Amino acid sequence: AQSVTQPDIHITVSEGASLELRCNYSYGATPYLFWYVQSPGQGLQLLLKYFSGDTLVQGIKGFEAEFKRSQSSFNLRKPSVHWSDAAEYFCAVARSYNTDKLIFGTGTRLQVFP
Amino acid sequence: GAGVSQSPSNKVTEKGKDVELRCDPISGHTALYWYRQSLGQGLEFLIYFQGNSAPDKSGLPSDRFSAERTGGSVSTLTIQRTQQEDSAVYLCASSPRTSGGVRDTQYFGPGTRLTVL
Repeated sequence: AQSVTQPDIHITVSEGASLELRCNYSYGATPYLFWYVQSPGQGLQLLLKYFSGDTLVQGIKGFEAEFKRSQSSFNLRKPSVHWSDAAEYFCAVARSYNTDKLIFGTGTRLQVFP
Repeated sequence: GAGVSQSPSNKVTEKGKDVELRCDPISGHTALYWYRQSLGQGLEFLIYFQGNSAPDKSGLPSDRFSAERTGGSVSTLTIQRTQQEDSAVYLCASSPRTSGGVRDTQYFGPGTRLTVL
């Protein structure tokens, strides 16, 4: 069965520091990968997605993610974190783009110190 | 335009009571999803509606859970005889279903936090 692992439950960084949030998936074929952000009191917002092509994907708010098939990973990165980036981040996978079901990881809570 | 809205934002109920949670999708979105977010868990898919097709109920955890979508718009998730393990945030999402499947972005509401005492 498909699964998504986000090994870091909670990460704390200083404002201006770089960020990398880890995501590993378990699935035999090429999955379709997503990162969502959930700010306090808000619904989830799509940051970026990977379906095919260039393995480095650019998203909104200055985020990017890189698909690495050899490592079954889709880590989210940002070169310089802003205080407003404090939120919970979810990685998700779909087994094909024709499915309607997303399988989500358990999330990583990001705290940003000034 | 307006995003996905959900009501109530918070609901506290006693064990054994029935609850109804409401979702208003973005106007024109034909696909509607319900997810459950429990403490320390990821989002768990519950049910999916697409147009007039039969809903995909494969994620509903028990027969105490049901959902309907009236007129292809508003949806209600009903939990009968609530249990403490039903305490969670229930999220609704809608998508325009222009390309099909996960190619269409799902837009999420703010959720309803359900607490069962």
